[in-house]
Amino acid sequence: AQSVTQLGSHVSVSEGALVLLRCNYSSSVPPYLFWYVQYPNQGLQLLLKYTSAATLVKGINDFEAEFKKSETSFHLTKPSAHMSDAAEYFCAVSGGATNKLIFGTGTLLAVQP
Amino acid sequence: DTAVSQTPKYLVTQMGNDKSIKCEQNLGHDTMYWYKQDSKKFLKIMFSYNNKELIINETVPNRFSPKSPDKAHLNLHINSLELGDSAVYFCASSQNSGRLYTGELFFGEGSRLTVL
Repeated sequence: AQSVTQLGSHVSVSEGALVLLRCNYSSSVPPYLFWYVQYPNQGLQLLLKYTSAATLVKGINDFEAEFKKSETSFHLTKPSAHMSDAAEYFCAVSGGATNKLIFGTGTLLAVQP
Repeated sequence: DTAVSQTPKYLVTQMGNDKSIKCEQNLGHDTMYWYKQDSKKFLKIMFSYNNKELIINETVPNRFSPKSPDKAHLNLHINSLELGDSAVYFCASSQNSGRLYTGELFFGEGSRLTVL
């Protein structure tokens, strides 16, 4: 079975500060890993994805994530937070025989002025 | 032009009623999904259809019945609504050909169901 664990349901940063959202995965097969973002009252949209190519993945809005197999992690980072980054962020995993995407419980990012 | 559209966006109803949520995608994708997001923002897959064929059916009460008249539409009908059905229901689509290789799902804006 596959799963993801997001550490920290709420993260607060100052505008301009580094954003770090943590995600650890569990998978018995090589995983595909994703970060999605959900703005208030909207659906989710894909930020970035890892599908066994480069371990450092760049996404939209200067977000990036690094796949670390030894640590079973796929943390999301952004060098400088912007007010518009305030949203709920979801890590997700899929792979192997399963053809469904399993989401983590989400991390709410707040950006303080 | 909205890629994945759901109607209605808000639905308030009484316990015991039957209701439907409709979803349409104009992306030409072959796979569509229903996800349920509870009050704690937890997202759980309910159903998935690939080219009108049911391929994922999670442990969901029989009161929930999806219907896919064609690959661009996936509707969700709920019978005998209960308080616990209150949630936001998201429709999504992807181009998979039956396998979730890309994982890039395109979501609708959600339908917020409130059961009183």
